[in-house]
Amino acid sequence: EPEVTQTPSHQVTQMGQEVILRCVPISNHLYFYWYRQILGQKVEFLVSFYNNEISEKSEIFDDQFSVERPDGSNFTLKIRSTKLEDSAMYFCASSPGGTQYFGPGTRLTVL
Amino acid sequence: EDKVVQSPLSLVVHEGDTVTLNCSYEVTNFRSLLWYKQEKKAPTFLFMLTSSGIEKKSGRLSSILDKKELSSILNITATQTGDSAIYLCAVGAGAGSYQLTFGKGTKLSVIP
Repeated sequence: EPEVTQTPSHQVTQMGQEVILRCVPISNHLYFYWYRQILGQKVEFLVSFYNNEISEKSEIFDDQFSVERPDGSNFTLKIRSTKLEDSAMYFCASSPGGTQYFGPGTRLTVL
Repeated sequence: EDKVVQSPLSLVVHEGDTVTLNCSYEVTNFRSLLWYKQEKKAPTFLFMLTSSGIEKKSGRLSSILDKKELSSILNITATQTGDSAIYLCAVGAGAGSYQLTFGKGTKLSVIP
């Protein structure tokens, strides 16, 4: 059964550094998403991407964040200058339209 | 602001018990309600509900949506230790790309 994959599974970085989180959505899905879950808190929507552009973004998704689909398979989330409060589990999801299927997540730790 | 509330927040039952998990929502332009199971990491899809009153079933799990009451329940019968997880309710709303708003989840612990 096809599934969403994410790399790396765990990333440790220093405050102020740039990180890129990678996702390979399920092929033939059209919608792509990033969510995050701070330890002990709710899963929160960050951004959705359709037809090669951002379709919606939350207040969390400020100028420090960007997304890209550099080729036909990868979908990336970049955080330009990480802060301590960016430490969280980041989930990528993809959808054909409707149900969203989640990847296993990348745990980002900012020191 | 869209809101999804789940209850109870945690629940401990014995194997074989039946449990009912609740989800209520206040959103603009409701489109669907989804249930996910979260064990170690990724939320795993269980059900998507769009129509009121139609029960969806998968093995020992079932779920139903009540659009009048703005709520849904997830039932698990004959619980097993493998059902221990956090159960997340999420609502898809608004126009466009269908972002999900999640509840805090119900942590279910099934003890032998």
